[in-house]
Amino acid sequence: AQRVTQPEKLLSVFKGAPVELKCNYSYSGSPELFWYVQYSRQRLQLLLRHISRESIKGFTADLNKGETSFHLKKPFAQEEDSAMYYCALGLGGGSNYKLTFGKGTLLTVNP
Amino acid sequence: GAVVSQHPSRVICKSGTSVKIECRSLDFQATTMFWYRQFPKQSLMLMATSNEGSKATYEQGVEKDKFLINHASLTLSTLTVTSAHPEDSSFYICSARRTGLNTGELFFGEGSRLTVL
Repeated sequence: AQRVTQPEKLLSVFKGAPVELKCNYSYSGSPELFWYVQYSRQRLQLLLRHISRESIKGFTADLNKGETSFHLKKPFAQEEDSAMYYCALGLGGGSNYKLTFGKGTLLTVNP
Repeated sequence: GAVVSQHPSRVICKSGTSVKIECRSLDFQATTMFWYRQFPKQSLMLMATSNEGSKATYEQGVEKDKFLINHASLTLSTLTVTSAHPEDSSFYICSARRTGLNTGELFFGEGSRLTVL
């Protein structure tokens, strides 16, 4: 069965430091991977998806099929980046589509 | 655009009663909606996939008779927790997938906190 692993429950960095939130997945096919973010007292929202290869709020994530990873990175963390980050794996098509979430990593950026 | 609204945001009920939670896509049509449960400081657990006009698909371990899902229109799905018990107390979140989009971009509701006394 497909699985998404986020090994760090908590991650704390200082402002301006680089940050990397790890995500590994288990799936033998071609995955569709996402990072979702939940800021304090706000709803979950999409941060970025691997097919877009975009940088959102300074964050990037590269899909590494060899290592089955999709780590989220930012070179210089900001205090407003403090939030809960979820890695998600999308599988299936049409009405069978399903998004499986990792357990999440709570990022705290200290001043 | 792409706003999903849940109602109520908080509900307290007595044990044994039923509670209905609504999930609406306000400015788009959603053939598929998803219902999640989130325990404190834990991840979202997918409960079921709700498809407009057909029966919901439940995840393993989720009682379909306990958590009734109805998706009668392209903008509304409802979750009814029947004969609620204190262990059903949780944060329930819905998300919607825009009709016609074949990606995993989901739009989430703000969640509904259920407390069963």
